[in-house]
Formats: sequence, structure tokens, C-alpha cells
Amino acid sequence: DSGVTQTPKHLITATGQRVTLRCSPRSGDLSVYWYQQSLDQGLQFLIQYYNGEERAKGNILERFSAQQFPDLHSELNLSSLELGDSALYFCASSTGQGRTNEQFFGPGTRLTVL
Amino acid sequence: LAKTTQPISMDSYEGQEVNITCSHNNIATNDYITWYQQFPSQGPRFIIQGYKTKVTNEVASLFIPADRKSSTLSLPRVSLSDTAVYYCLVVTPTGGGNKLTFGTGTQLKVEL
Repeated sequence: DSGVTQTPKHLITATGQRVTLRCSPRSGDLSVYWYQQSLDQGLQFLIQYYNGEERAKGNILERFSAQQFPDLHSELNLSSLELGDSALYFCASSTGQGRTNEQFFGPGTRLTVL
Repeated sequence: LAKTTQPISMDSYEGQEVNITCSHNNIATNDYITWYQQFPSQGPRFIIQGYKTKVTNEVASLFIPADRKSSTLSLPRVSLSDTAVYYCLVVTPTGGGNKLTFGTGTQLKVEL
């Protein structure tokens, strides 16, 4: 158990819909990261927040957005869903301090778009 | 971001030592080398990180030559439970944490 929680575990929805994925980082971690993993694209970094502020952006589509709240939990919003958005979405957290590159990953949310 | 190259797959037997080599020719001065392990349908798990020479922890060793253009993850006496994908990453430290760029990884299969 990494200490990172993600809800829901599974999500099944239809094309064109909007969903919200939630992540609670480990206690004390200030950085939250979102990743998408699909069979054809592998594990891709989407976006990073540090203490409520966006710090880095990766291959995140304009239909996707995220935010980190004052209590440090984060939400990833996916809208106008397409079949190709079906994937495992991971959240990870780290202290954001020091030289370690250790990120702690949550169990993931499996999104299925029908 | 430095690109990494590692074998797509490796096979081993229980009790053997496994060495996975990663190439990162354009690594920068401040970059660190980091390895993650991922089991199916689970998030990646940090294994080890190093800058140069040798680093050892309770699960693995990481060997980095002086030129730092490659690194080798060594797993001593593997077991069936070590069957997983292993990712080599080169990460540049930044303020507030680091985004990780995962490559295709090495699928390690351990058999009896």
C-alpha cells in the first residue's frame, strides 16, 4: 500500500460524457502527478501540481483538466470522452523536496468509454 | 529529456541474478538515474536511484560507470514474484518535484 488513494477504482461511461477522477496523496506529500496508461501509448505523464499550483504539463489533452485543492487532494476532469480515452489513470505523489525522484503511485482508476 | 534504451524483454529462472542494462547517452550533468517496477494493473513502484558508481538497497543494486552513459540494474536471486516490467528513467531534478518520462520498459519473466 503506497498511501495514495484513488477513487473510483472502475468507471464505465459513454462517449461524450464527463467524469472526475479523485486522488488523495500520501500524508505530507505536496506534489501530485497524473499519468495515463494505455496499451498503445504506454505510461504517459499528464500533469503535475505542487502545493496547489500547476508545475508541469505533459501530454494532456485540452479536454482534460486538473486541480489540486487546499487539502492537497487532486481531481482530474475528463470531458467529451472518446473511445480512445479508455485507459488506466494513475495518480502519484511525492514530497517535492530534496533529490529523490521517488514517486508513490496509487492503485489507479480504470476508465472504460463505450 | 534524456532518452533511454533498454531490452524489450528478458527471461530468467528462480535463484538467478538478473542484470538489466539501460543506455542513456545524452544524460546531463544534473540528471539522476532511476528505476521503477510495475506489475500488471498496478502503479509503478520505485526501486532505486543513483547518480554515479554503485548504489545498493534491500532489493537491488544499481551500477553506473564513470561516463554515466549507461546503467545496470541488478536483481539478486530473483523469484517468480519479480516477474514485472522494469523501467529505466533519467530524471532532471526540478523545484517541486519531477515529471517522469517512462519508456517502453523491460518485461522480465522469471520461471521455475
